[in-house]
Amino acid sequence: SSELTQDPAVSVALGQTVRITCQGDGLRSYYASWYQQKPGQAPIVVVSDKNNRPSGIPDRFSGSNSGDTASLTITGAQAVDEADYYCCSRDNSGDHVVFGGGTKLTVL
Amino acid sequence: EVKLVESGGGLVEPGMSLRLSCAASGFRFDDYAMHWVRQAPGKGLEWVGSISWNSRSRDYAVSMKGRVTISRDNAKNSLVLIMSNLRPEDTGIYYCTRSRGDFDVWGQGTMVIVSS
Repeated sequence: SSELTQDPAVSVALGQTVRITCQGDGLRSYYASWYQQKPGQAPIVVVSDKNNRPSGIPDRFSGSNSGDTASLTITGAQAVDEADYYCCSRDNSGDHVVFGGGTKLTVL
Repeated sequence: EVKLVESGGGLVEPGMSLRLSCAASGFRFDDYAMHWVRQAPGKGLEWVGSISWNSRSRDYAVSMKGRVTISRDNAKNSLVLIMSNLRPEDTGIYYCTRSRGDFDVWGQGTMVIVSS
């Protein structure tokens, strides 16, 4: 399958750690990148395709891969982290980009 | 300042065509592949297609293939998306974004509404 599967919604208590996962066959061959999108705004990359953190992104964001699953971890979630998060990678052929369905993160 | 600015969106009737543009500034445009990504109202991100830095490679989402063409003019730092035979389900915000791996810069998007 070329799809990337994410949980539609996840919640976390303020200051706690949350992991958002993304599953897909293509992740066995290609890295995932992660994007944060707040209402009315364009997405921004929070974890790059080699699990690096772009300049300006807080170090509480980190990425990892294992088998067919990529994960975005927020260590010490803040209220400002409440947003939709999308994983992104390549399909099995490598020719096409594919996004996960998105995870709505609520910080309680 | 690195910037991408989309334009050309609007209200269009089903079956019609539309040309979206993306103006790039603040970086060397021909160092990057460029992509279009869209988002239907209240829905997730969907990749539309891409074009390599030198236009030699173009890839399109299966759902859009045959109805979209992406082109670029490196001399003018511009990217174009032409969509034909538009359907109501093509309604959404269309973003251009650059890539050398991940999508590190996005435009603010242009809204396309397909409705009679």
